[in-house]
Amino acid sequence: DQQVKQNSPSLSVQEGRISILNCDYTNSMFDYFLWYKKYPAEGPTFLISISSIKDKNEDGRFTVFLNKSAKHLSLHIVPSQPGDSAVYFCAASTQGGSEKLVFGKGTKLTVNP
Amino acid sequence: DAGITQSPRHKVTETGTPVTLRCHQTENHRYMYWYRQDPGHGLRLIHYSYGVKDTDKGEVSDGYSVSRSKTEDFLLTLESATSSQTSVYFCAISDGRAGGFSEQYFGPGTRLTVT
Repeated sequence: DQQVKQNSPSLSVQEGRISILNCDYTNSMFDYFLWYKKYPAEGPTFLISISSIKDKNEDGRFTVFLNKSAKHLSLHIVPSQPGDSAVYFCAASTQGGSEKLVFGKGTKLTVNP
Repeated sequence: DAGITQSPRHKVTETGTPVTLRCHQTENHRYMYWYRQDPGHGLRLIHYSYGVKDTDKGEVSDGYSVSRSKTEDFLLTLESATSSQTSVYFCAISDGRAGGFSEQYFGPGTRLTVT
């Protein structure tokens, strides 16, 4: 039973345009959501997060939107740059306790020059 | 970057042999985690630790054991390696700050091949 789903294995966009990566979750107990970026042969790096008490969080070119009623979140990258080409993982957790993360399978983003 | 190292970075071993992977942190963080990453599966939690000698199972713990005798070290042991344990293994840490959520920071990974 996959609790966090990234239904698009890959996404290709042109440099300068917007990249939108989507994530759905099924567990209504999740109250914290994160996005990680991963380059080949490296560990995942934390990108941005959002608490369930918010519906938007912004950090530079990266914005995460949360729609709790739809159990859906998205990551917007504007403008996209070739260096953004990586695999993006969505993750979810519940606050407190061990803070275990449940990851989606990832979306490979390619930004073409 | 968080001070997390993993050793070895690459290992090839034979089926049936024991293997131990080491994660070392210099951040004095309370929580440590072991994940495996496989194509089509994303990252899956194997075991985690919430303090010295305090560990618990994750989603895919069968065939793995862990130990944490010091805050800075978290060991993952494959008692008898199988080909299905060929994977990339990542260690992560978080500080578990009170009153909020703390992000996990990942090590560089260990690529394990079981032949």
